[in-house]
Amino acid sequence: GEDVEQSLFLSVREGDSSVINCTYTDSSSTYLYWYKQEPGAGLQLLTYIFSNMDMKQDQRLTVLLNKKDKHLSLRIADTQTGDSAIYFCAEIGGANNLFFGTGTRLTVIP
Amino acid sequence: NAGVTQTPKFQVLKTGQSMTLQCAQDMNHEYMSWYRQDPGMGLRLIHYSVGAGITDQGEVPNGYNVSRSTTEDFPLRLLSAAPSQTSVYFCASSFSGTAFFGQGTRLTVV
Repeated sequence: GEDVEQSLFLSVREGDSSVINCTYTDSSSTYLYWYKQEPGAGLQLLTYIFSNMDMKQDQRLTVLLNKKDKHLSLRIADTQTGDSAIYFCAEIGGANNLFFGTGTRLTVIP
Repeated sequence: NAGVTQTPKFQVLKTGQSMTLQCAQDMNHEYMSWYRQDPGMGLRLIHYSVGAGITDQGEVPNGYNVSRSTTEDFPLRLLSAAPSQTSVYFCASSFSGTAFFGQGTRLTVV
């Protein structure tokens, strides 16, 4: 099946930028997604990028896609304590199933 | 607007017991799915359904059954619980690849 990889932990200081990285395997994925999970809650869609795009910006979030290297990143500008959460990247596979990475736990230090 | 509702939120089972995790959505989505979340492993797809009367296996289907008699409901059944099924379970409904998640059920099998 699809293999989506992320580093498990990231710590940043409040006000700095955070960059969360992800690699995926299925080059035919039409969409790639970033989901956020706050403690004790389900996942919420943060943003997504269509596979024919290189970059997408949405307020403090910037998604970069390198299709050649199958690398996806999420940059959060001016990181706040409320951004502390687990961030999952996901690719869409057969039958429109989502395949998730392991999740990156972002800790924002005040 | 309830979205995706899962019940119960917490459950403790003894090995060998059976139970059903309930999931209901009010968005009229055809696609629904069940995931389990384990530390360091992200979300893994258990079963999914592309519409009423149609179900299929995901990555980790063993020990679980599903049915989809209506568009709204997609229950997950554990026929004989095992400690390896201790996990957090998430139900999701999707439209055009974007998934909406329930709040999760934390299941402990002792």
